[in-house]
Amino acid sequence: NAGVMQNPRHLVRRRGQEARLRCSPMKGHSHVYWYRQLPEEGLKFMVYLQKENIIDESGMPKERFSAEFPKEGPSILRIQQVVRGDSAAYFCASSQNPGIETQYFGPGTRLLVL
Amino acid sequence: AQKITQTQPGMFVQEKEAVTLDCTYDTSDPSYGLFWYKQPSSGEMIFLIYQGSYDQQNATEGRYSLNFQKARKSANLVISASQLGDSAMYFCAMREGAGSYQLTFGKGTKLSVIP
Repeated sequence: NAGVMQNPRHLVRRRGQEARLRCSPMKGHSHVYWYRQLPEEGLKFMVYLQKENIIDESGMPKERFSAEFPKEGPSILRIQQVVRGDSAAYFCASSQNPGIETQYFGPGTRLLVL
Repeated sequence: AQKITQTQPGMFVQEKEAVTLDCTYDTSDPSYGLFWYKQPSSGEMIFLIYQGSYDQQNATEGRYSLNFQKARKSANLVISASQLGDSAMYFCAMREGAGSYQLTFGKGTKLSVIP
């Protein structure tokens, strides 16, 4: 019974490069949520996706950030032209039904921008 | 105003003792859910316990219980018989509104269990 999978666990990028973070939800879960945790802070909601649809991206920065959850394969959070302020832990969570059930989190991806 | 407030940045507890981690919340919606997550030093977020706003009884899960005081808008986590492995960051979170999915987190409390 695999939980939420995220890879890579750690990612180092230089300023201006692209970062791609992957998330495979728990088996049977079709709802994916991305959160960002800055140092010494709680998690902050970024985006909610279902298969092939972005439902709510109200927490996403307007520029450089995008997310997708294709019909096949993992959900991807993409950060273009990374800056030092993007350094954070990015968590993916999944649930079977939104608004009813608990969200289960993956182990997170720690992004470090040099 | 902060939606979730955790006033204790750090707490110490002796092994085998009980400890209470505070959480207060702010919402005008009658339907909401409250969650506690544990984040050990390895970094993953582990779900501990859930309390719905309409639940009549306080939630319990093993050594974890939630002291839900609706009128005071507090949802404190009680850990009984602390173990060294309980040392971690603990986050309180709220899902606000029926059908909502966004979790709003507090800033966390760092619990250290002393042998």
